[in-house]
Amino acid sequence: GAVVSQHPSRVICKSGTSVKIECRSLDFQATTMFWYRQFPKQSLMLMATSNEGSKATYEQGVEKDKFLINHASLTLSTLTVTSAHPEDSSFYICSARVPRHIERQETQYFGPGTRLLVL
Amino acid sequence: DAKTTQPPSMDCAEGRAANLPCNHSTISGNEYVYWYRQIHSQGPQYIIHGLKNNETNEMASLIITEDRKSSTLILPHATLRDTAVYYCIVRVEMRGSTLGRLYFGRGTQLTVWP
Repeated sequence: GAVVSQHPSRVICKSGTSVKIECRSLDFQATTMFWYRQFPKQSLMLMATSNEGSKATYEQGVEKDKFLINHASLTLSTLTVTSAHPEDSSFYICSARVPRHIERQETQYFGPGTRLLVL
Repeated sequence: DAKTTQPPSMDCAEGRAANLPCNHSTISGNEYVYWYRQIHSQGPQYIIHGLKNNETNEMASLIITEDRKSSTLILPHATLRDTAVYYCIVRVEMRGSTLGRLYFGRGTQLTVWP
């Protein structure tokens, strides 16, 4: 399957600071990437859809001004958690959709996740 | 997207086949069934997907009933490393659209024991 990477794998920050998480598709160009959040013992929750060259589409209840998404290239999407607070501590996971000309069903492949701890 | 129902947990002996069921009774004609698994503290791993025909790859087999209201993921020879949460998801196939997103349910915690 296709490879998606995330950086950093874990980050600890102070309350009120901003944290940027990178998601890269390593062996394909992805016009669409997705960002998820997962709290302990819970399932993945879709936060937003990141589209290359356009604004992200946020799921209901997700604050777009708090979770800034930039998809400036076909292989990179970034999620910035602004003014992070302890309740933002979570496991953040991205995925990238393989384009149709590579896989007809446009399968999504996931990154390894980034664990954020806000003190 | 259609909702899915999975048992919260299942056990399987190492070396035996693991059969994980999923109900998706409201599935539409153009919705695919996808299976992913998540090993603790890792990102989900793609396993297999199908529309109406049974599918097999190096990881697993997917059996979809004729009415498409349910499916079963089969791991033919489970190993300890197959212990994970398995998610069954239905997704609309949309060309060049932001639809077709994957919404995860609670999945099935499969525990493979020696």
